[in-house]
Amino acid sequence: AQKITQTQPGMFVQEKEAVTLDCTYDTSDQSYGLFWYKQPSSGEMIFLIYQGSYDEQNATEGRYSLNFQKARKSANLVISASQLGDSAMYFCAMREGVTSGSILTFGEGTQLTVNP
Amino acid sequence: DTEVTQTPKHLVMGMTNKKSLKCEQHMGHRAMYWYKQKAKKPPELMFVYSYEKLSINESVPSRFSPECPNSSLLNLHLHALQPEDSALYLCASSRGLGRVAYEQYFGPGTRLTVT
Repeated sequence: AQKITQTQPGMFVQEKEAVTLDCTYDTSDQSYGLFWYKQPSSGEMIFLIYQGSYDEQNATEGRYSLNFQKARKSANLVISASQLGDSAMYFCAMREGVTSGSILTFGEGTQLTVNP
Repeated sequence: DTEVTQTPKHLVMGMTNKKSLKCEQHMGHRAMYWYKQKAKKPPELMFVYSYEKLSINESVPSRFSPECPNSSLLNLHLHALQPEDSALYLCASSRGLGRVAYEQYFGPGTRLTVT
């Protein structure tokens, strides 16, 4: 079974609107971390936001927020007020437990296009 | 400063060549990683170094040889590569291993083409 599932291969949004990128995960660990990365066409993976499994509040970083629903095992990324520069591939990733803490498991990614 | 640098940005090499990729970070991170990424796919982990020691080798062919000369530097030596090894090679670093909260910071990558 996939550990990280991103069901939207491509998404389109109008500039200045909000967009939600979906991510569901599968783990039996109690301790895990969820990450979102942005990868523009230039190739660099840019860390956006982190949510820990024990964090009670949803993470926010500027225009990015993470809608964490633990019981549903989902960690959706919300980008508010989209900008043209937000066009990129977005990856959801998970780290499980302590013993496998070095391994980031990535989803297949969502290609976001922001239209003017 | 959350910068990881990689050189070269682009590399074209023949199947008989020997070349090296270089990665550097000055964030005091103790874990460094090599990933391989094919187009439109997520990165695949190749190697992990922790405190300059090889911690994980994800069954990578021996034509890829990693080296960590010090805590800031990570090299990937390439020899007798195949055309299917053409990909974006990403380096990353994190404060350490074993804590789920340690985010990884990535470099801009080296686009490798094997002819």
